[in-house]
Amino acid sequence: NAGVTQTPKFRVLKTGQSMTLLCAQDMNHEYMYWYRQDPGMGLRLIHYSVGEGTTAKGEVPDGYNVSRLKKQNFLLGLESAAPSQTSVYFCASSQGQGSGYTFGSGTRLTVV
Amino acid sequence: RKEVEQDPGPFNVPEGATVAFNCTYSNSASQSFFWYRQDCRKEPKLLMSVYSSGNEDGRFTAQLNRASQYISLLIRDSKLSDSATYLCVAVSGYSSASKIIFGSGTRLSIRP
Repeated sequence: NAGVTQTPKFRVLKTGQSMTLLCAQDMNHEYMYWYRQDPGMGLRLIHYSVGEGTTAKGEVPDGYNVSRLKKQNFLLGLESAAPSQTSVYFCASSQGQGSGYTFGSGTRLTVV
Repeated sequence: RKEVEQDPGPFNVPEGATVAFNCTYSNSASQSFFWYRQDCRKEPKLLMSVYSSGNEDGRFTAQLNRASQYISLLIRDSKLSDSATYLCVAVSGYSSASKIIFGSGTRLSIRP
């Protein structure tokens, strides 16, 4: 039972570089989410998806893009990384909005 | 004011003690509530849902007070392994437009 798998686990980027974070879930969940977690700020929603082919903005979407081409995958892209995007990124999935989440193990991103 | 507020702690209690902490929410339309546990440098994991009538899972009891807009978590006979950060979550609505807000977490440390 893999649950939610995130890759990579760690990454260091230079300012201006781009990268894609991959999230894969094997639970056939409809809903998928990308969060960032910063000290003292808690988890903040970046983007989410309520089904294959759909995406929507969360609380802090600027500087990020997402795609959900397949139900099991949710990609988070950083087009031009900035130091303010240094954070821990968590992907999560759920069967419904009122259901509990299953989180991936996180990606620690540092932008220098 | 944050939509979901928690005392950041840390709560430092001896093993075997009972500890309780609250989480207040400002959106009266919030309908679903959860407690998550997050260990250091790990992903959050669902601890329990919070039901209107209150619910218990072993040593853990969750309560909801809609009139005062807070949820609580009580841990009895605390164990060293209970040391973690506890996040509360409030969800308003069940549609794709619902809001899911995480608190910043309460840190709990159990000492021998």
